Amino acid sequence: QVQLVQSGAEVRKPGSSVKISCKASGGTPNSPTISWVRQAPGQGLEWMGRIIPMFGTTNYAQKFQGRVTITADKSTSTAYMELRSLTSDDTAVFYCARDVHWALDIWGQGTVVIVSS
Amino acid sequence: EIVMTQSPATLSVSPGERATLSCRASQSVRSNLAWYQQKPGQAPRLLIDGASTRATGIPARFSGSGSGTEFTLTISSLQSEDFAVYYCQQYNDWPQLTFGGGTKVEIK
Repeated sequence: QVQLVQSGAEVRKPGSSVKISCKASGGTPNSPTISWVRQAPGQGLEWMGRIIPMFGTTNYAQKFQGRVTITADKSTSTAYMELRSLTSDDTAVFYCARDVHWALDIWGQGTVVIVSS
Repeated sequence: EIVMTQSPATLSVSPGERATLSCRASQSVRSNLAWYQQKPGQAPRLLIDGASTRATGIPARFSGSGSGTEFTLTISSLQSEDFAVYYCQQYNDWPQLTFGGGTKVEIK
């Protein structure tokens, strides 16, 4: 069974960047398609984008286009999400999830990002 | 962008009662809809995809129905562990995914 383990909490200053990792273990393929989802405190879920490591393809939500970059290292089955130009509105929990096209069926534990001066 | 609207925002239900949650799409998403459950401090969990197909390990008291623009998630007899927030999500507009705003099911 695939498990997704994310990197730990981060604190950043406004205007800076953050890069979060998501490592997949177990199951096949070794490098599944991964989507990233943001959840601000007390708010709902926002899809940010995905990477399909098999093809090296990325898709981004229009809201985050130009500010987010999703990459993957197939050799370590790890996906990364970098978000730039952080503001206080980016204070949130960021989740990675296995994207099987019709749903996000396995989720990481979430990474808290706090943006504060 | 397809907008997903869930109602009500909060649903107060007694244990053992039925809960009916609604999700509406701004345009047809056919049957390309999933439902998730999220408990406080936890990641979301997939409940249903294809509008009506339960994910692995999901109890039969959870059922989904609908197609096009109107969808329903029904929990036939609420258990204590079912009090949570529920989200719908469309994937008809792939590669874009969009979530509804969520419905909180609370104890009455």
